[in-house]
Amino acid sequence: QVQLVESGGGVVQPGRSLRLSCAASGFTFSTSGMHWVRQAPGKGLDWLAVISSDGTSKYYTDSVKGRFTLSRDNSKNMIYLQMSSLKTEDTAVYYCLRWNTRGAFDIWGQGTMVTVSS
Amino acid sequence: SSELTQDPVVSVALGQTVRITCQGDRLRNNYASWYRQRPGQAPELVIFGNNNRPSGIPDRISGSSSGNTASLTITGAQAEDEADYFCNCRDTTNTKPWVFGGGTKVTVL
Repeated sequence: QVQLVESGGGVVQPGRSLRLSCAASGFTFSTSGMHWVRQAPGKGLDWLAVISSDGTSKYYTDSVKGRFTLSRDNSKNMIYLQMSSLKTEDTAVYYCLRWNTRGAFDIWGQGTMVTVSS
Repeated sequence: SSELTQDPVVSVALGQTVRITCQGDRLRNNYASWYRQRPGQAPELVIFGNNNRPSGIPDRISGSSSGNTASLTITGAQAEDEADYFCNCRDTTNTKPWVFGGGTKVTVL
């Protein structure tokens, strides 16, 4: 069925790195723009980044620019979020999602929790 | 402003109608989408293109937009409509192309 499954979350110390993965299935991944959104505990949704269908174009929100890097492997139906220089304020559930041709986030993963703490 | 503003909390009596609003300049020229997040779950799309429902979303949920305000209306609210609702709008001319509203918690009394 159509789904996105995130993995790679966990507890990490401030300043360290972590890589999140997102596995896609059930839809044509190679033609889909993919995004990451996060949600801090008890807070709203915070859009982070987008990668184009072929991986050549990426865009990041200012708060993660220079620290987070998006990539994708269309042969494996995977996207990755490499996070470095992590801060306590990066603590959140991280969701990967698809932006569809009708202009909406129509597929969401279940999320993976990242806790940045010493 | 590139932000989207929502009322934090709204309550509705069972079977009654509630409207949630989302305000922001980018809504004047771009479509809104709405997402429902039930407790402990990931968000899900309920409205796209201002007023379109994905398959599986009941027709008691509807959307509209006028000027700088997008609205989501629940007609005949049910217990399962109790959730957080977030609006979103893409503006490719903005330095932050995608933005979510702060969310509205809908409580069904």
